[in-house]
Amino acid sequence: AQKITQTQPGMFVQEKEAVTLDCTYDTSDQSYGLFWYKQPSSGEMIFLIYQGSYDEQNATEGRYSLNFQKARKSANLVISASQLGDSAMYFCAMTLTGGFKTIFGAGTRLFVKA
Amino acid sequence: EPEVTQTPSHQVTQMGQEVILRCVPISNHLYFYWYRQILGQKVEFLVSFYNNEISEKSEIFDDQFSVERPDGSNFTLKIRSTKLEDSAMYFCASTLQDRGLRGYTFGSGTRLTVV
Repeated sequence: AQKITQTQPGMFVQEKEAVTLDCTYDTSDQSYGLFWYKQPSSGEMIFLIYQGSYDEQNATEGRYSLNFQKARKSANLVISASQLGDSAMYFCAMTLTGGFKTIFGAGTRLFVKA
Repeated sequence: EPEVTQTPSHQVTQMGQEVILRCVPISNHLYFYWYRQILGQKVEFLVSFYNNEISEKSEIFDDQFSVERPDGSNFTLKIRSTKLEDSAMYFCASTLQDRGLRGYTFGSGTRLTVV
Protein backbone atom coordinates (compact mmCIF):
# COMPACT_ATOMS: atom_id res chain seq x y z
CA ALA A 1 0.00 0.00 0.00
CA GLN A 2 1.13 3.53 -0.68
CA LYS A 3 1.94 5.84 2.18
CA ILE A 4 3.28 9.34 2.79
CA THR A 5 4.97 10.15 6.09
CA GLN A 6 5.66 13.63 7.38
CA THR A 7 7.32 13.34 10.77
CA GLN A 8 7.43 17.03 11.69
CA PRO A 9 4.06 18.21 12.97
CA GLY A 10 5.43 21.75 13.43
CA MET A 11 8.52 23.69 12.43
CA PHE A 12 9.83 27.14 13.26
CA VAL A 13 12.15 29.13 11.03
CA GLN A 14 13.55 32.63 11.21
CA GLU A 15 12.57 34.98 8.43
CA LYS A 16 15.08 34.95 5.54
CA GLU A 17 16.51 31.59 6.53
CA ALA A 18 16.09 28.32 4.66
CA VAL A 19 14.00 25.46 6.00
CA THR A 20 13.61 21.81 5.02
CA LEU A 21 10.34 19.98 5.47
CA ASP A 22 10.71 16.21 5.51
CA CYS A 23 8.69 13.70 3.53
CA THR A 24 9.18 9.99 3.00
CA TYR A 25 7.00 7.81 0.86
CA ASP A 26 6.36 4.16 0.37
CA THR A 27 5.33 2.49 -2.85
CA SER A 28 6.35 -0.54 -4.84
CA ASP A 29 5.47 1.20 -8.09
CA GLN A 30 8.28 2.55 -10.24
CA SER A 31 6.27 5.35 -11.85
CA TYR A 32 4.78 8.05 -9.67
CA GLY A 33 4.64 11.76 -9.05
CA LEU A 34 5.49 13.57 -5.84
CA PHE A 35 4.07 16.94 -4.86
CA TRP A 36 4.01 19.59 -2.23
CA TYR A 37 0.97 21.69 -1.49
CA LYS A 38 0.63 24.72 0.77
CA GLN A 39 -2.48 25.38 2.83
CA PRO A 40 -2.58 28.86 4.41
CA SER A 41 -4.89 29.61 7.30
CA SER A 42 -7.53 30.68 4.77
CA GLY A 43 -7.88 27.01 3.87
CA GLU A 44 -7.22 26.77 0.15
CA MET A 45 -4.78 24.21 -1.25
CA ILE A 46 -2.02 25.65 -3.40
CA PHE A 47 0.15 23.46 -5.63
CA LEU A 48 3.85 24.27 -5.11
CA ILE A 49 6.07 21.78 -6.86
CA TYR A 50 6.14 18.43 -8.67
CA GLN A 51 8.79 15.72 -9.09
CA GLY A 52 8.39 12.74 -11.37
CA SER A 53 9.92 9.47 -10.29
CA TYR A 54 12.01 9.30 -13.46
CA ASP A 55 13.22 12.88 -13.28
CA GLU A 56 16.94 12.89 -12.68
CA GLN A 57 17.16 16.49 -11.60
CA ASN A 58 15.55 17.91 -8.49
CA ALA A 59 12.58 20.12 -9.23
CA THR A 60 12.75 23.83 -8.48
CA GLU A 61 10.08 26.51 -8.53
CA GLY A 62 11.30 29.90 -7.42
CA ARG A 63 12.17 29.66 -3.72
CA TYR A 64 10.95 26.07 -3.54
CA SER A 65 13.06 23.06 -4.36
CA LEU A 66 12.37 19.39 -3.91
CA ASN A 67 15.26 17.29 -2.66
CA PHE A 68 14.44 13.94 -4.27
CA GLN A 69 16.37 10.91 -3.04
CA LYS A 70 14.80 7.95 -4.75
CA ALA A 71 16.81 5.23 -3.05
CA ARG A 72 15.85 6.61 0.34
CA LYS A 73 12.29 7.28 -0.82
CA SER A 74 12.40 10.84 0.39
CA ALA A 75 11.09 14.02 -1.17
CA ASN A 76 11.95 16.88 1.13
CA LEU A 77 10.80 20.42 0.42
CA VAL A 78 13.36 23.18 0.81
CA ILE A 79 12.14 26.74 1.12
CA SER A 80 14.90 29.29 0.74
CA ALA A 81 14.78 32.81 2.19
CA SER A 82 11.63 32.22 4.24
CA GLN A 83 9.03 34.94 4.31
CA LEU A 84 6.28 35.64 6.84
CA GLY A 85 3.75 34.63 4.19
CA ASP A 86 5.23 31.15 4.11
CA SER A 87 3.60 30.41 7.47
CA ALA A 88 1.13 27.68 6.57
CA MET A 89 0.48 23.96 6.58
CA TYR A 90 2.50 22.03 4.01
CA PHE A 91 1.41 18.69 2.61
CA CYS A 92 3.52 16.15 0.78
CA ALA A 93 1.57 13.98 -1.65
CA MET A 94 2.00 11.19 -4.18
CA THR A 95 0.12 10.02 -7.26
CA LEU A 96 0.79 6.72 -8.95
CA THR A 97 0.98 6.75 -12.72
CA GLY A 98 -1.51 3.91 -13.01
CA GLY A 99 -4.15 5.49 -10.79
CA PHE A 100 -6.24 8.58 -10.37
CA LYS A 101 -5.97 9.40 -6.71
CA THR A 102 -3.38 11.37 -4.81
CA ILE A 103 -2.54 10.41 -1.26
CA PHE A 104 -1.45 13.05 1.22
CA GLY A 105 0.72 13.09 4.28
CA ALA A 106 -0.47 14.45 7.61
CA GLY A 107 1.18 17.79 7.00
CA THR A 108 3.78 20.02 8.63
CA ARG A 109 2.80 23.38 10.05
CA LEU A 110 5.50 25.96 9.37
CA PHE A 111 5.82 29.08 11.47
CA VAL A 112 8.05 31.86 10.16
CA LYS A 113 9.31 34.22 12.86
CA ALA A 114 10.11 37.86 12.21
CA GLU B 1 -5.19 32.60 -14.26
CA PRO B 2 -7.98 30.02 -14.65
CA GLU B 3 -9.41 28.74 -11.42
CA VAL B 4 -11.72 26.12 -10.00
CA THR B 5 -14.77 27.69 -8.39
CA GLN B 6 -16.66 26.09 -5.52
CA THR B 7 -19.98 27.14 -4.05
CA PRO B 8 -21.03 27.67 -1.38
CA SER B 9 -17.95 28.47 0.66
CA HIS B 10 -19.70 27.35 3.82
CA GLN B 11 -22.82 25.24 4.29
CA VAL B 12 -24.58 24.24 7.45
CA THR B 13 -27.06 21.40 7.23
CA GLN B 14 -29.06 19.25 9.60
CA MET B 15 -28.17 15.62 10.05
CA GLY B 16 -30.12 13.44 7.64
CA GLN B 17 -30.55 16.18 5.05
CA GLU B 18 -29.29 15.97 1.50
CA VAL B 19 -26.61 18.41 0.46
CA ILE B 20 -25.14 19.26 -2.95
CA LEU B 21 -21.72 20.81 -3.24
CA ARG B 22 -21.02 22.56 -6.50
CA CYS B 23 -17.85 23.04 -8.47
CA VAL B 24 -17.01 24.67 -11.78
CA PRO B 25 -13.74 23.14 -13.00
CA ILE B 26 -11.39 24.87 -15.40
CA SER B 27 -13.11 24.83 -18.75
CA ASN B 28 -10.72 22.70 -20.80
CA HIS B 29 -9.90 20.25 -18.04
CA LEU B 30 -10.91 16.64 -18.47
CA TYR B 31 -10.40 15.02 -15.06
CA PHE B 32 -12.34 16.03 -11.97
CA TYR B 33 -11.92 15.08 -8.35
CA TRP B 34 -13.39 15.49 -4.91
CA TYR B 35 -11.27 15.40 -1.77
CA ARG B 36 -12.21 16.10 1.81
CA GLN B 37 -10.32 17.28 4.84
CA ILE B 38 -11.75 16.75 8.29
CA LEU B 39 -10.65 19.63 10.49
CA GLY B 40 -7.01 19.29 11.45
CA GLN B 41 -6.54 16.05 9.56
CA LYS B 42 -5.06 14.95 6.28
CA VAL B 43 -6.62 15.44 2.87
CA GLU B 44 -8.46 12.31 1.70
CA PHE B 45 -9.38 11.23 -1.79
CA LEU B 46 -13.07 10.64 -2.41
CA VAL B 47 -13.60 10.17 -6.14
CA SER B 48 -12.25 10.91 -9.59
CA PHE B 49 -14.40 11.45 -12.67
CA TYR B 50 -13.48 11.25 -16.33
CA ASN B 51 -15.45 10.93 -19.53
CA ASN B 52 -18.73 11.18 -17.63
CA GLU B 53 -18.08 8.32 -15.30
CA ILE B 54 -16.33 7.55 -12.05
CA SER B 55 -12.78 6.41 -12.76
CA GLU B 56 -11.81 5.64 -9.18
CA LYS B 57 -13.37 5.99 -5.74
CA SER B 58 -12.24 5.44 -2.19
CA GLU B 59 -13.85 3.37 0.53
CA ILE B 60 -15.18 6.61 1.99
CA PHE B 61 -17.26 7.15 -1.14
CA ASP B 62 -20.13 4.86 -0.22
CA ASP B 63 -23.73 4.79 -1.42
CA GLN B 64 -24.47 8.05 0.39
CA PHE B 65 -22.26 9.89 -2.08
CA SER B 66 -22.74 10.56 -5.77
CA VAL B 67 -21.17 12.80 -8.37
CA GLU B 68 -22.54 14.31 -11.51
CA ARG B 69 -21.52 16.58 -14.34
CA PRO B 70 -24.99 17.74 -15.30
CA ASP B 71 -24.31 20.35 -17.94
CA GLY B 72 -20.72 20.22 -19.15
CA SER B 73 -19.51 22.94 -16.83
CA ASN B 74 -20.62 22.05 -13.29
CA PHE B 75 -19.36 19.11 -11.27
CA THR B 76 -21.38 18.26 -8.19
CA LEU B 77 -20.99 16.10 -5.11
CA LYS B 78 -24.20 14.97 -3.47
CA ILE B 79 -24.44 13.54 0.01
CA ARG B 80 -27.85 11.92 0.37
CA SER B 81 -28.32 11.76 4.10
CA THR B 82 -25.66 13.69 5.96
CA LYS B 83 -24.08 12.43 9.15
CA LEU B 84 -22.19 14.37 11.78
CA GLU B 85 -18.95 12.79 10.60
CA ASP B 86 -19.45 14.25 7.13
CA SER B 87 -18.49 17.64 8.58
CA ALA B 88 -15.33 18.59 6.71
CA MET B 89 -13.83 20.84 4.10
CA TYR B 90 -14.60 19.47 0.64
CA PHE B 91 -12.24 20.34 -2.17
CA CYS B 92 -12.93 20.01 -5.86
CA ALA B 93 -9.97 19.74 -8.24
CA SER B 94 -9.46 19.42 -11.95
CA THR B 95 -6.61 18.55 -14.30
CA LEU B 96 -6.14 18.73 -18.03
CA GLN B 97 -4.88 15.42 -19.32
CA ASP B 98 -2.46 13.94 -16.90
CA ARG B 99 -4.77 12.55 -14.20
CA GLY B 100 -3.19 14.70 -11.56
CA LEU B 101 0.30 13.45 -12.25
CA ARG B 102 1.60 16.99 -12.36
CA GLY B 103 -0.49 18.50 -9.62
CA TYR B 104 -4.05 19.67 -9.17
CA THR B 105 -5.74 22.97 -9.39
CA PHE B 106 -7.93 22.94 -6.30
CA GLY B 107 -10.95 25.05 -5.63
CA SER B 108 -11.06 27.10 -2.46
CA GLY B 109 -13.25 24.50 -0.78
CA THR B 110 -16.68 24.21 0.79
CA ARG B 111 -16.78 23.89 4.54
CA LEU B 112 -19.68 21.58 5.39
CA THR B 113 -20.98 21.60 8.93
CA VAL B 114 -23.55 18.97 9.87
CA VAL B 115 -25.49 19.74 13.04
